[in-house]
Amino acid sequence: SYVLTQPPSVSVAPGKTARITCGGNNIGSKSVHWYQQKPGQAPVLVIYYDTDRPSGIPERFSGSNSGNTATLTISRVGAGDEADYYCQVWDRISDHQVFGTGTKVTVL
Amino acid sequence: EVQLVESGGGLVKPGGSLRLSCAASGFTLSSYSMNWVRQAPGKGLEWVSSISTSSSYIYYADSVKGRFTISRDNAKNSLYLQMNSLRVEDTAVYYCARSRGAGEKDYFDYWGQGTLVTVSS
Repeated sequence: SYVLTQPPSVSVAPGKTARITCGGNNIGSKSVHWYQQKPGQAPVLVIYYDTDRPSGIPERFSGSNSGNTATLTISRVGAGDEADYYCQVWDRISDHQVFGTGTKVTVL
Repeated sequence: EVQLVESGGGLVKPGGSLRLSCAASGFTLSSYSMNWVRQAPGKGLEWVSSISTSSSYIYYADSVKGRFTISRDNAKNSLYLQMNSLRVEDTAVYYCARSRGAGEKDYFDYWGQGTLVTVSS
């Protein structure tokens, strides 16, 4: 089955840029979506179709996808961005939705 | 306002059964595919099952296939998950989530708050 690999944790200073990677075999050929989940809360969609932002999501959140890596970038990070982040794709071989392993973002 | 409200979670013994419900409001359920996603305590998200608008297409994760059954009642604006032969490893918060897009472009734009299922003797 298709596997999406994310770093377990990313630490970033306030005001700096956080980059969260999502690795998968030829992921650049797939549509990647990203979710933010704060403790005790349901996930929230922050990026869909690799680069699109839902209404209400700040422009500080952006995405890219090429080759074997998709990336979620959070600019001007603040304390409110501390959360777990998950990437997600549809695997057409298995007809399964697949989530990445998740990355905990810590603001120093 | 789109709302998804799960119910039916609780404590059940291994081998037991439970039926989860998800009440949808603020949109026309019959126009959207729906999903169940779970999260074991302290773990990541795991997709469980998806169902198309008219129930023509249904998919399951390998870990639940043959034990769980997803269904929907568009007239009642409700999504269901029948869980049989429950195992300790099925312990998790279960979320229902609305699909947008289709096939390879499918993603989840709204999520419920989840219902906790605990499988323990």
